[in-house]
Amino acid sequence: KQEVTQIPAALSVPEGENLVLNCSFTDSAIYNLQWFRQDPGKGLTSLLLIQSSQREQTSGRLNASLDKSSGRSTLYIAASQPGDSATYLCAVRLGGANNLFFGTGTRLTVIP
Amino acid sequence: NAGVTQTPKFQVLKTGQSMTLQCAQDMNHEYMSWYRQDPGMGLRLIHYSVGAGITDQGEVPNGYNVSRSTTEDFPLRLLSAAPSQTSVYFCASSYSTLLAGETQYFGPGTRLLVL
Repeated sequence: KQEVTQIPAALSVPEGENLVLNCSFTDSAIYNLQWFRQDPGKGLTSLLLIQSSQREQTSGRLNASLDKSSGRSTLYIAASQPGDSATYLCAVRLGGANNLFFGTGTRLTVIP
Repeated sequence: NAGVTQTPKFQVLKTGQSMTLQCAQDMNHEYMSWYRQDPGMGLRLIHYSVGAGITDQGEVPNGYNVSRSTTEDFPLRLLSAAPSQTSVYFCASSYSTLLAGETQYFGPGTRLLVL
């Protein structure tokens, strides 16, 4: 069974700092990997989707990388802002399956 | 577009009661799914549907039923609620089956407490 781990569980940084969130998965035969953002009491918002054949994806201040062979992905947030405060979840999908396997998330707090 | 909507937002049930969690989307999405989110465990797939009339089980289907009579709606039924079903439930949808690598859109969630 695919296990997805996110470390750290919580992170606090001062505004303006660059930061990296980590995601690791046990089965490297993934179809794609997604990063989501979840605000308190809200649903999930997709941030970036990386196909298994890709190494990275960028959207604005966000950059996600994927290393299938080592079972790792990182989400890089540049010049963090208080509005970035949220829980960030990564999820992987195995080839041929309809199931997304989620990590437990990293709760990010950006301090003004 | 309203996107993915869920009702109710919060519900308290007694053990053994039944209820239906409603999910609707107005984006003409074929693929819909239900997840539950529990502390320390991440989201887990309960049931999913690749189109009207077609449903299948996910990772944790026991205690839940689903049906898909229309493209828009995908209700989740708890026939006899148990305290272990206390959780936050999310409905999600995407344009085509997840095999195409489509981004999923999530509803705001239903918080369920079973006493």
